[in-house]
This record gives sequence, structure tokens and C-alpha cells, in this order.
Amino acid sequence: EVQLLESGGGLVQPGGSLRLSCAASGFTFGSYAMSWVRQAPGKGLEWVSVISGSGSTTYYADSVKGRFTISRDNSKNTLYLQMNSLRAEDMAVYYCAKMEGKQLVQWYFHFWGQGTLVTVSS
Amino acid sequence: QTVVTQEPSFSVSPGGTVTLTCGLSSGSVSTSYYPSWYQQTPGQAPRTLIYSTNTRSSGVPDRFSGSILENKAALTITGAQADDESDYYCALHMGSGFWVFGGGTKLTVL
Repeated sequence: EVQLLESGGGLVQPGGSLRLSCAASGFTFGSYAMSWVRQAPGKGLEWVSVISGSGSTTYYADSVKGRFTISRDNSKNTLYLQMNSLRAEDMAVYYCAKMEGKQLVQWYFHFWGQGTLVTVSS
Repeated sequence: QTVVTQEPSFSVSPGGTVTLTCGLSSGSVSTSYYPSWYQQTPGQAPRTLIYSTNTRSSGVPDRFSGSILENKAALTITGAQADDESDYYCALHMGSGFWVFGGGTKLTVL
């Protein structure tokens, strides 16, 4: 059974940093791309970042480029999101998602974790 | 800036059929965007319904179907049930590893 468990969320001041983790189980982690998707309170979904199975390729939404870094440790079956220079508009539930699809253009968000809440406030 | 458009809200009667759409603020949606659809109930993680325009994800009932209609991606629910009352989001792959979600449609079944 596929499981994704996010952790690391919490309260952080504007300008601060936080690292999210997503522990994966039930599938061959290193064979799948992974993404982070966020949802601000009462708002819709926003794609944040994606990383290939090997970790060699990453992409970011313009809203987080240069501030967030996605990474993974395939030996630990864990996905990360390092968030720096946090802003009020980064406050959201952050979901990790297992990607599926034969090639990049066909990837879609196949399975979602339950999310972790990041609150940015002074 | 690319905006993916969805109806903010929709209502359907139990047993009825409803089609939600997913368009672009500029241009047409085609299968090349590999549209996907997600269902989310309040407080829960999204659930994948449809990918690559019209392929149902595992375990999704066949009353959910996807297509391209009049230059938009479409999600049709046939024989709506009470537990279909949810928020529905589409996502388009804009190329080069960049996805955009629509604003979501709140579906009411009554």
C-alpha cells in the first residue's frame, strides 16, 4: 500500500526557513518523480516543485524559484522541501505527491499525502 | 501569465449528469496538455480521478469520464451521487516540467 507522510510544518516568522519531509513507503521510491503541491487556507491547489526519480532534474513554480529547494534521499525513501525567505503568501498546507507517467510531459499527480501545515506569521 | 479557468461552482441533482470544464485564459486546451482531474473533500487530501485527458485512475467509478469539449478539458459525472459533492480541480502540464491547476469547481449535489 502506497503511503506518503509529510512532516516538518509549523509556525515560522516571515523571512524564516523551514524544511519539510515526506516519508514514502509501499513503492520503489527511486523509480518515481515526486512533487510538492500547496493549498493556501480556503484556496485552490498550486503546484510548487517536482523532482525526477534520480534527483537529477528539478523544476519550480515561479512563485518559489530561488527560495525553495526540492531534494530527495532515495536511500531513506524521503522527499524534502527546503523553504527559505518565507513570506505570508507561502502559508499553506503542503502536500507531497507521487508522480506517474511514462515521460515528463505525461506526468500527473497519482497519489497524495495528507499534507503538513506551514504558517508564516510574526 | 497562464490562467487555467474552471467554473467556480456547479449544482447537480442526484442521479443527474454534470460536465465541469477546464479552459485556458488564452488559447485552447488539447490532449497535448495531458489534463488531469482531482477530487477533494474538505479537510482531505486530493484524490486522482482522471489523467491524460480520459484515463480513469485505479478504483475510480466509470461514471467519471474525461474528454476534450469545445477546446476545453471536461470532466463528466453521470448519475451523480451525494458523496460526489466535493471540490474538483483540473491540472494542465504547460511543458518543461511546469503544471498549472485551475481554481477549482465546488460541486453541490441537491
